[in-house]
Amino acid sequence: AQSVSQHNHHVILSEAASLELGCNYSYGGTVNLFWYVQYPGQHLQLLLKYFSGDPLVKGIKGFEAEFIKSKFSFNLRKPSVQWSDTAEYFCAVRSRYGGSQGNLIFGKGTKLSVKP
Amino acid sequence: EPEVTQTPSHQVTQMGQEVILRCVPISNHLYFYWYRQILGQKVEFLVSFYNNEISEKSEIFDDQFSVERPDGSNFTLKIRSTKLEDSAMYFCASSPDRGNGYTFGSGTRLTVV
Repeated sequence: AQSVSQHNHHVILSEAASLELGCNYSYGGTVNLFWYVQYPGQHLQLLLKYFSGDPLVKGIKGFEAEFIKSKFSFNLRKPSVQWSDTAEYFCAVRSRYGGSQGNLIFGKGTKLSVKP
Repeated sequence: EPEVTQTPSHQVTQMGQEVILRCVPISNHLYFYWYRQILGQKVEFLVSFYNNEISEKSEIFDDQFSVERPDGSNFTLKIRSTKLEDSAMYFCASSPDRGNGYTFGSGTRLTVV
């Protein structure tokens, strides 16, 4: 069965620090990859996604992620975090095999706390 | 920007009662989904719905769960006889095609007491 692993449960950073959140997935075939953010009390919002092409994907709010196929990884990065980035971040994968109707498999999430 | 709307935002129900969670997907979307997130755990897929029928469901989606699209706009999740372990945040999502362009709703927090 497919799975998504997010290595850090809770990350605490000071403002202006750089961020990297790890994500690894288990499926060996063609996948679509996503990062979602959930601000306190709000719904899941798409940060960025990778379907094909350039493995370095840029998303909203200065976030980017790099797909490394050989490592089954899709790590999220931001060079300089702000207090407003405090949220929970979820990595998700969708397999591209024919039987799937597009459901996403989510990681457990990483809570990011940014100290002002 | 189009939104997926979920009502109510919070529902408290007694164990054994039936609940219906409501969702209004984006109007031109064709695929509809329910996910849930138990407090402190990952977001889990429940069911996908396309062309007026369930297209895929997870092990969680047992006989006590059902989904319906009663008219052209609503998409509902019914839990027939709620259990304490059904307490979770339930998210509805829709997409215009298979797995692409997901939009999530803001969720319904279900508390079973």
